[in-house]
Amino acid sequence: EAGVAQSPRYKIIEKRQSVAFWCNPISGHATLYWYQQILGQGPKLLIQFQNNGVVDDSQLPKDRFSAERLKGVDSTLKIQPAKLEDSAVYLCASSSTGYGYTFGSGTRLTVV
Amino acid sequence: DAKTTQPPSMDCAEGRAANLPCNHSTISGNEYVYWYRQIHSQGPQYIIHGLKNNETNEMASLIITEDRKSSTLILPHATLRDTAVYYCIVRDGGATNKLIFGTGTLLAVQP
Repeated sequence: EAGVAQSPRYKIIEKRQSVAFWCNPISGHATLYWYQQILGQGPKLLIQFQNNGVVDDSQLPKDRFSAERLKGVDSTLKIQPAKLEDSAVYLCASSSTGYGYTFGSGTRLTVV
Repeated sequence: DAKTTQPPSMDCAEGRAANLPCNHSTISGNEYVYWYRQIHSQGPQYIIHGLKNNETNEMASLIITEDRKSSTLILPHATLRDTAVYYCIVRDGGATNKLIFGTGTLLAVQP
């Protein structure tokens, strides 16, 4: 089966600019997750979707981060405006049964 | 917060077994132990999970102590491609099914 697709692979922006990341999960996977991974740390969950509804967004900095999952398939994560501390890898994952997650390769964001 | 404790790094000789320990002393009855690994510049990859019994698959074996307060991931014949950060995660079987990552163990397989 095709894996979780993410784009872009890399992005460099200046602080205060906006940026968006895209994720296409494995076909049929109802649950989708966005994680943020800062260098040297483990991934941190930002938001979890079940179909097109939000299950958990308690760790999402809602003043600047937003995410949506239209039609319960693709998802986008947006940052507006970006700060230096948002430099990280943004990982998308999906699962069907909730047991095994499949992760994408991530988008590496550098804010300068 | 992560509910597990792992050593920050370990070395292993190529071809030998790699035994990665994990402490999860506050694990509750309905929580599973999961292991993922992350090779440089890639997303985390699922390895194995278990509840009470030892488990084995094509990648690894998982040994869980009888009191479930610790576990060991065993890679029977480590190769250079097994060099990665290994995450031990305790996860409940409830509806949210969240994976909460700690900082993991960096396993360096030496030639």
